[in-house]
Amino acid sequence: AQKVTQAQTEISVVEKEDVTLDCVYETRDTTYYLFWYKQPPSGELVFLIRRNSFDEQNEISGRYSWNFQKSTSSFNFTITASQVVDSAVYFCALRDNYGQNFVFGPGTRLSVLP
Amino acid sequence: GAGVSQSPRYKVAKRGQDVALRCDPISGHVSLFWYQQALGQGPEFLTYFQNEAQLDKSGLPSDRFFAERPEGSVSTLKIQRTQQEDSAVYLCASSLIVLAGEETQYFGPGTRLLVL
Repeated sequence: AQKVTQAQTEISVVEKEDVTLDCVYETRDTTYYLFWYKQPPSGELVFLIRRNSFDEQNEISGRYSWNFQKSTSSFNFTITASQVVDSAVYFCALRDNYGQNFVFGPGTRLSVLP
Repeated sequence: GAGVSQSPRYKVAKRGQDVALRCDPISGHVSLFWYQQALGQGPEFLTYFQNEAQLDKSGLPSDRFFAERPEGSVSTLKIQRTQQEDSAVYLCASSLIVLAGEETQYFGPGTRLLVL
């Protein structure tokens, strides 16, 4: 069975600090996809990144970066120089190669204080 | 273009009432998904449509839950004889292509259902 764990329930940081959100996953599949979504107070889930299991290259997009390590089954997300607008709940998710079994973690609530 | 829209945004129902939740996907999107998100939890899959065909309804929690997408566009999730445990946010998502691991789902703002 597939499972996603986000051990950090809530994190608070002061603006301009860097923050890393942890994600650990479990799957028996060799091909799978990992996602991060942001859920602001307005409620909709905003897609941030998709990564397939064969691409372990880390990715940077502006202040966001992702560290995928297959050896530890982790797909961590770092926000550099955090801003108040980054305050939201962030979800890590895992999906199999056929698009089924889309499993979300419980989410990490990030509060960035001014 | 417009994103996924859902209505109503909030719904309060008395226990035993029937409710209908609407989802307007992004125009041209083939796939449509419904999720249930309990307070403090991640979304959980309910059902999937490819055009008008409901290909997977394995996540529907009981036979009180029914979804349809008759013309392959707008979808309605209906909950009959609502119970307090049905209180949750119901999210709709759509994607451009048929079900595949790499496709990206775009989510609506959700309908927050409270059953009293």
